[in-house]
Amino acid sequence: SAVISQKPSRDICQRGTSLTIQCQVDSQVTMMFWYRQQPGQSLTLIATANQGSEATYESGFVIDKFPISRPNLTFSTLTVSNMSPEDSSIYLCSVHGTSDTQYFGPGTRLTVL
Amino acid sequence: GIQVEQSPPDLILQEGANSTLRCNFSDSVNNLQWFHQNPWGQLINLFYIPSGTKQNGRLSATTVATERYSLLYISSSQTTDSGVYFCAVERTGGGNKLTFGTGTQLKVEL
Repeated sequence: SAVISQKPSRDICQRGTSLTIQCQVDSQVTMMFWYRQQPGQSLTLIATANQGSEATYESGFVIDKFPISRPNLTFSTLTVSNMSPEDSSIYLCSVHGTSDTQYFGPGTRLTVL
Repeated sequence: GIQVEQSPPDLILQEGANSTLRCNFSDSVNNLQWFHQNPWGQLINLFYIPSGTKQNGRLSATTVATERYSLLYISSSQTTDSGVYFCAVERTGGGNKLTFGTGTQLKVEL
């Protein structure tokens, strides 16, 4: 299994500002995934982050709004830019384990006022 | 894209009762997982089960890939089983990307 940590665990931000979320894994992984969970909803994949290449974004998500960095095989960041109240969500990172199982971080609970 | 529907959407049980949660998906998959999201938001992987049957304590799961559904059984439910249960699938050739189902909100009462 993989142990994943995220920072911050929660934050309250003002409209128009940006927040960078960090994801750290205890082992080297090829792909890391970022998901969003809006209040009372299921999880939606934002993008896939591969080390050494541009992130691949899902339909409805764009790099200008959610820039992602992947500087090495154990770390990634997701920035939520120019935030609005509609960005209030839980943001989770995940990795694909060796047994085809995906493991999730504890999530970052974001509230935008 | 692939559609993943779960039923029932909400479920209230008395402690000690048994339940069955269902997950239907619209396309062939090579990965299916069940997760439990606790009240604090943490997602816990319960089963990796693209086909067949697995059991882990009071929980068991069965996936019939040819008929595109999976079932999660909870026996002798406890209050700590409360939370949201998600199934998530990876479409065949989907590059490890999971599509999550609509979820079942479970509340177990004393």
